[in-house]
Amino acid sequence: GAVVSQHPSWVICKSGTSVKIECRSLDFQATTMFWYRQFPKQSLMLMATSNEGSKATYEQGVEKDKFLINHASLTLSTLTVTSAHPEDSSFYICSARGGRATGTQYFGPGTRLLVL
Amino acid sequence: GESVGLHLPTLSVQEGDNSIINCAYSNSASDYFIWYKQESGKGPQFIIDIRSNMDKRQGQRVTVLLNKTVKHLSLQIAATQPGDSAVYFCAENPRGYSTLTFGKGTMLLVSP
Repeated sequence: GAVVSQHPSWVICKSGTSVKIECRSLDFQATTMFWYRQFPKQSLMLMATSNEGSKATYEQGVEKDKFLINHASLTLSTLTVTSAHPEDSSFYICSARGGRATGTQYFGPGTRLLVL
Repeated sequence: GESVGLHLPTLSVQEGDNSIINCAYSNSASDYFIWYKQESGKGPQFIIDIRSNMDKRQGQRVTVLLNKTVKHLSLQIAATQPGDSAVYFCAENPRGYSTLTFGKGTMLLVSP
């Protein structure tokens, strides 16, 4: 149980284009989903928290107009990197949590983004 | 032995040894803690968790110890195997918050 998927697993795009990453909870309803960014040999940095049906809460320093998050259902959240630039190249990971406000987050396999 | 790399501390052990990975957490208000394992190019995988009303919890080959007095968390892996090689992160959840704060991570290298 508690499986989270992400699609695509990797993407290469040209500078200036937008990229959408999907995060799905496959066997449970995720009331809350989280989006993280990770640089090589570093820890996970929380970008934003999204609750189903409401606007995402962004961490300080994360541009909400650049990283658009939609959590339209209890099993799907999307992250759109708009007008991507090479500095947006990173490993993006989502996690999902069901039920209680404090509880285990289950992570997706991550999406490697390379912006040329 | 244990060494500090450019970004990530590394623990090197021999197959069959017991491994202990340590984590100092920052928030005395944290009441829930999780250990995750992350293999290269993959997302973090849940290993074991513990709540602040406990000081020890055991799973299969893993034990988590919590010392709230000094804000210290440890993960013990018994009979370490090459497949245990990965980066291990501790995460803390401050009471009343829905988010996790991750530690810097420790790379575990297991030699056959």
